[in-house]
Amino acid sequence: AQSVTQPDIHITVSEGASLELRCNYSYGATPYLFWYVQSPGQGLQLLLKYFSGDTLVQGIKGFEAEFKRSQSSFNLRKPSVHWSDAAEYFCAVLYNNNDMRFGAGTRLTVKP
Amino acid sequence: EAGVAQSPRYKIIEKRQSVAFWCNPISGHATLYWYQQILGQGPKLLIQFQNNGVVDDSQLPKDRFSAERLKGVDSTLKIQPAKLEDSAVYLCASSPRDGSSGNTIYFGEGSWLTVV
Repeated sequence: AQSVTQPDIHITVSEGASLELRCNYSYGATPYLFWYVQSPGQGLQLLLKYFSGDTLVQGIKGFEAEFKRSQSSFNLRKPSVHWSDAAEYFCAVLYNNNDMRFGAGTRLTVKP
Repeated sequence: EAGVAQSPRYKIIEKRQSVAFWCNPISGHATLYWYQQILGQGPKLLIQFQNNGVVDDSQLPKDRFSAERLKGVDSTLKIQPAKLEDSAVYLCASSPRDGSSGNTIYFGEGSWLTVV
């Protein structure tokens, strides 16, 4: 079955520390992969996306993600977290050109 | 460029009442989506329109939910009668064409429904 897994429900990091949010998916072919961020009371904002080519993708707000086919993963990273990065992060996979599936989300808390 | 507009932003209704949400996609976007996001979960697709035709409504609870996109622009999502478990954020999204070639999907801020 097609699925998107974000293993970490909640992560807490200190401001200035590095961050990695995990995402795994199940799909036979190469999927289209996305990371969205959602602040409280807001809609989803696209951080970055992967379609093909270079497996390291740069996004907005200093985020990057790496597609690893062998591990079926698309982990999101940021070298130095800012307090404003506290939000909910969703990994999403586009299947069959029409079916966008989301993970359950990872809530990020940033400690001062 | 204006984003995806949704209204109302917040709605509280009693169970068995009805509610309707409106969405205006980004100008020129052919594809429109309605997602349901229950607290603590990721969004779940309810229905997808391509222009004014339905592409996928397999996860729409058709006994109580309905949606239409007249003239291929604005869309309305209706729930009648509402149940407690319908409490969620209803997100509207749009993209230039269908999802092929990874067209980015842009989301509105959502309509927050509480059923009491």
